[in-house]
Amino acid sequence: SQTIHQWPATLVQPVGSPLSLECTVEGTSNPNLYWYRQAAGRGLQLLFYSVGIGQISSEVPQNLSASRPQDRQFILSSKKLLLSDSGFYLCAWSAFGGRGNQPQHFGDGTRLSIL
Amino acid sequence: AQSVTQPDIHITVSEGASLELRCNYSYGATPYLFWYVQSPGQGLQLLLKYFSGDTLVQGIKGFEAEFKRSQSSFNLRKPSVHWSDAAEYFCAVVLTGGGNKLTFGTGTQLKVEL
Repeated sequence: SQTIHQWPATLVQPVGSPLSLECTVEGTSNPNLYWYRQAAGRGLQLLFYSVGIGQISSEVPQNLSASRPQDRQFILSSKKLLLSDSGFYLCAWSAFGGRGNQPQHFGDGTRLSIL
Repeated sequence: AQSVTQPDIHITVSEGASLELRCNYSYGATPYLFWYVQSPGQGLQLLLKYFSGDTLVQGIKGFEAEFKRSQSSFNLRKPSVHWSDAAEYFCAVVLTGGGNKLTFGTGTQLKVEL
């Protein structure tokens, strides 16, 4: 069966520090991968998605970047964190292809607090 | 552009009572629709999905949802709520443009009174 792992679960970082959040998927090949941010009391905002290695689409301009160095690895990064980067970050995967009828499956998230 | 509206931010029901969470979508064609549930501090779990066919779909944990094209709705229901159902519920629709991208509603927080 497929599983998705995100780490760390919780992170406290000072303003201006770098960020690296990692997400890996097991049990499937060539998945679509996604990064979301969920601000307190709000819905989910899609940040990035990827349909293959090295293929990253950014949904909103921001202080963050994403990379996919391996088929089942998705990394969210920042060179200098801002206070506004605080939030709950979720990684998700879906099976490749289809016509939009592949559900997304989510990791347990990373709670990021910026001080 | 596709959008999803969940008009109820908070809902409180008594344990054992029935539940209906509302979801309205804006989409030109037949949408692909999903309901997810999120417990505090956790990721999202898929409850059910609608792609085509029977407009009443069954999901996990005793939930069901009915697709009504005439009302552009996809409401989530459960006949008898359990205290463990307290969580946040999100409706989502697939965006066009590839990548199986979803757009989510802002969520409905469900509180269950014992």
